[in-house]
Parts: sequence; C-alpha cells; structure tokens
Amino acid sequence: TAGITQAPTSQILAAGRSMTLRCTQDMRHNAMYWYRQDLGLGLRLIHYSNTAGTTGKGEVPDGYSVSRANTDDFPLTLASAVPSQTSVYFCASSDSMSTSSYNEQFFGPGTRLTVL
Amino acid sequence: GQQVMQIPQYQHVQEGEDFTTYCNSSTTLSNIQWYKQRPGGHPVFLIQLVKSGEVKKQKRLTFQFGEAKKNSSLHITATQTTDVGTYFCAGPGGNKLVFGAGTILRVKS
Repeated sequence: TAGITQAPTSQILAAGRSMTLRCTQDMRHNAMYWYRQDLGLGLRLIHYSNTAGTTGKGEVPDGYSVSRANTDDFPLTLASAVPSQTSVYFCASSDSMSTSSYNEQFFGPGTRLTVL
Repeated sequence: GQQVMQIPQYQHVQEGEDFTTYCNSSTTLSNIQWYKQRPGGHPVFLIQLVKSGEVKKQKRLTFQFGEAKKNSSLHITATQTTDVGTYFCAGPGGNKLVFGAGTILRVKS
C-alpha cells in the first residue's frame, strides 16, 4: 500500500499566487493533518480533520484553508501565497484524533514550497 | 496552551558515543510519542509511552517516561551513522498532538 502520498514534491510559487497541495491516504484513517516544518520550530499544525466532512484550525491556520470531502483526500490551499509560507509541508493521518490511546501518525513524504 | 520543550536542539557525536535527547512538558501528559526523521525524509513513529516511569527499549534505543509524566527521554547507546536525523517527541495538547522542536543528531564516523 502507498500509505500517504503528497503532490507536488516541490514547487516554486510567485507571491500572490494561489496553490493547492494535495494529500491522499489509502489507510481509511479518519483523522488527517497538515503541518509545516521550519528549522528550529519543529512541526506546527496548520489544520486538521477529525473525519470526512469536518475540519478544524491548528496552531498556525492563517493564510491556509482545507477541505475534507471524503475520507482519502485532504487538500491544503494557499489562497494568496506570501514569502513567510516558504516551508516544508507534511500531511499526516491517524486512525482517530484520540490522544488518550495508542494513535500513531503516519506522515507523507512532504512538499517543499518556496514563495518568492 | 500545552508546550513541549526539547533539548538539546542539536548534537554532534563521534560514532560509538552515546546520545540523549530530553523532552519536557508544561503539563502532565497522558502519553508521549517519539518520532524520527531522517535527513530529507518524513517523520516516522518510533514508540508511544503511557505509564508513569515506563521504560521501553528498541535495540540500542531506550525510551523513558518520567514518574510525574511531564518529561521523557530517548537514549541511544553506541551511536551509528544510521542514527543521524531529527528526533521529535510529541504529547497530547487538547485533542491534538503537540510536537517538540526536535533534536538534530549528527554522527561523525
């Protein structure tokens, strides 16, 4: 099984342009997440989805939007990119969002985005 | 809100030396997870600790959860070049997982 796939692998984007980062999982996980990774700051949660049809804001949601039309897909959209959104973006999934029981997160390979 | 602090930020060791990274939480945790990210790769789950004072081993890796469930450590015995990467701890923050900033490990051969 593929697990989680992300596309594109990398992208250079002009400031002000919009872009959608794609994420698909084949594990039938209920919960999905988008993180950005910046040196020294670790993994910061942008948005999450507890189950298909629901989404929520994470730690750094401004400038990003998500949708969860079905279980498998969780796209992340930058409506008008700014240079501070230059980062590595990881999509992840887990069986549920329960943090009180065993619930490892599976990460995709990441998208490296540069906004100029 | 929930914060997870991780130290050191960076460590460079000689192959064969031991390595330890520490994770501290501002609040009591129900559990703590550890992930490893190889250079250029993505985070991969290593383990989850649940019980107070719990110690678990995976070959040369030893994971410990503090008695008060507010801190944790990962110790690697006799590091190898395959151990290079960033090690993250993560603990529950509300209904979400909060990651530490990570410790970058470099191993000189």
